Amino acid sequence: QQKVQQSPESLIVPEGGMASLNCTFSDRNSQYFWWYRQHSGEGPKALMSIFSNGDKKEGRFTAHLNKASLHVSLHIKDSQPSDSALYFCAVSRESNYQLIWGSGTKLIIKP
Amino acid sequence: DMKVTQMPRYLIKRMGENVLLECGQDMSHETMYWYRQDPGLGLQLIYISYDVDSNSEGDIPKGYRVSRKKREHFSLILDSAKTNQTSVYFCASKTDYEQYFGPGTRLTVL
Repeated sequence: QQKVQQSPESLIVPEGGMASLNCTFSDRNSQYFWWYRQHSGEGPKALMSIFSNGDKKEGRFTAHLNKASLHVSLHIKDSQPSDSALYFCAVSRESNYQLIWGSGTKLIIKP
Repeated sequence: DMKVTQMPRYLIKRMGENVLLECGQDMSHETMYWYRQDPGLGLQLIYISYDVDSNSEGDIPKGYRVSRKKREHFSLILDSAKTNQTSVYFCASKTDYEQYFGPGTRLTVL
């Protein structure tokens, strides 16, 4: 059974700083990796996906994947108060397989 | 704009009462999900539906059942609700890659 673990559980970053969120997974056959973001009182929303080893940048957000070390990370540059949210890592073997979810990292951006 | 709706948004029930949570999507997605979210536990998968009348248990199906009679509508039913079913429930529908979530239903069982 795939296990997805996120660290840290919570993170406080000053406004304008860099936030780094980590996720490890156990199934070496994993192919699809997602970061979802959930603001308080809302449902999770897909933030970005990464399917190949290396970096993927979308604006202030960069995802990094290293399948060999079973690790995926999310880095948020120039953090804004609106980035305060719960961030989930989700992993699957195939596009039509169910996602396996981490337990989340609570990110607080301090003005 | 892809949209998943959930009704009701808030619900308070007494232990032993029946509960019906409803979810709708306007995107004709075949696959839909029910999750519950508890602090520190992330999202736990209750049921998956692959289309009308094609449902599968997720990781924590005990105490729940589902119904999907139309592609756009997926219901979660709690027969004789228990206090440990107090939680926030999310419905989601899926494209080839991405899941779209509703706003959630906060259920309190007293």
